[in-house]
Amino acid sequence: QKEVEQNSGPLSVPEGAIASLNCTYSDRGSQSFFWYRQYSGKSPELIMFIYSNGDKEDGRFTAQLNKASQYVSLLIRDSQPSDSATYLCAVISGGSYIPTFGRGTSLIVHP
Amino acid sequence: DGGITQSPKYLFRKEGQNVTLSCEQNLNHDAMYWYRQDPGQGLRLIYYSQIVNDFQKGDIAEGYSVSREKKESFPLTVTSAQKNPTAFYLCASSGGEGAWTNVLTFGAGSRLTVL
Repeated sequence: QKEVEQNSGPLSVPEGAIASLNCTYSDRGSQSFFWYRQYSGKSPELIMFIYSNGDKEDGRFTAQLNKASQYVSLLIRDSQPSDSATYLCAVISGGSYIPTFGRGTSLIVHP
Repeated sequence: DGGITQSPKYLFRKEGQNVTLSCEQNLNHDAMYWYRQDPGQGLRLIYYSQIVNDFQKGDIAEGYSVSREKKESFPLTVTSAQKNPTAFYLCASSGGEGAWTNVLTFGAGSRLTVL
């Protein structure tokens, strides 16, 4: 059973701080990693994807992948109240195209 | 604009009824998916399809059925055999170019409530 684990939170951070969201996965053969953001009552939308070890930056967002330790993280710099949402980690194993989702981490950014 | 259209947005079902959720995409994506989301839970895969006239069961297919007669359409039927169908249902597709191949694009979702 391929598993993707996330701390359900909520993770509460003050406005302007760095929010750090973590995700671990069980399948060492996983190749593709995605972060989706889901506002309450809405559908998920892509934040970032990462395929190689290391960091990938896009604006205020940085994804970090460590395949040896089997974790992927998402850093949100200068957090804003509008970043308050649930963040879903999704992982695709090698040879597949079907993502497995974690349960999501709820982020609250308070003014 | 390209996207995925789900309908209806809200649906109420009486016990013993079958209901069908519509999903249409104009992204020219090959793969389509149905997910179920319960409060505080992640997304659980119901069915997926990579090509027309072919589809595969996901992790929680019991009590559901699908068809893929056209590339653009992937309707989901929630049958009376599904004992706890109240949930948020999400349709998605994938098939973009290059590194975007496996990125999912989601519809707005359909919220089903059993009366």
